[in-house]
Amino acid sequence: AQKITQTQPGMFVQEKEAVTLDCTYDTSDPSYGLFWYKQPSSGEMIFLIYQGSYDQQNATEGRYSLNFQKARKSANLVISASQLGDSAMYFCAMREGGNNNDMRFGAGTRLTVKP
Amino acid sequence: NAGVTQTPKFRVLKTGQSMTLLCAQDMNHEYMYWYRQDPGMGLRLIHYSVGEGTTAKGEVPDGYNVSRLKKQNFLLGLESAAPSQTSVYFCASSYSRNYNSPLHFGNGTRLTVT
Repeated sequence: AQKITQTQPGMFVQEKEAVTLDCTYDTSDPSYGLFWYKQPSSGEMIFLIYQGSYDQQNATEGRYSLNFQKARKSANLVISASQLGDSAMYFCAMREGGNNNDMRFGAGTRLTVKP
Repeated sequence: NAGVTQTPKFRVLKTGQSMTLLCAQDMNHEYMYWYRQDPGMGLRLIHYSVGEGTTAKGEVPDGYNVSRLKKQNFLLGLESAAPSQTSVYFCASSYSRNYNSPLHFGNGTRLTVT
């Protein structure tokens, strides 16, 4: 069964600095997708970035980038130039390509950006 | 530009009461999902639907029922609420079931069962 692990319950970062949120996953399916979602205090789930298992380059979306290390089965989210509005819960998630392709989520990391 | 809309936003139930959560999407997505979010556990899939008239069990289906009578709507029902069902419930939809297809979420419903 697929499993997503986020080992950092909480992280702090100074405004304007970069921060890395860790995510490791476990799957035996060669085809899979990795996702990051942001959940601000208002509660909605916002899709940030996607990385496919066959993608050769790391995904980037504005200040967000995904550090994809396939051999280590890690998909860390890097946020550059942190802003106060980045304070939120961040969830890593995965979908497999086989029959069981439900999206599974990690427990989340709460990021707090300090002014 | 509504996307996925959930009603209600908040609800308080007494043990044993029943209720239905409504999810509506205007993106013409075939696939719809109900998740629950609990502290320290991320989001867990309750039920999902691959099209109008279909439903299937997810990871934590017990105590819940669902229906998809119209493509745009996906209802989640609790027949006899229990305190263990206190949670935040999210509805989501996706264009595809492929592994590269993200989910689009509603804003959630906070349910408290006393």
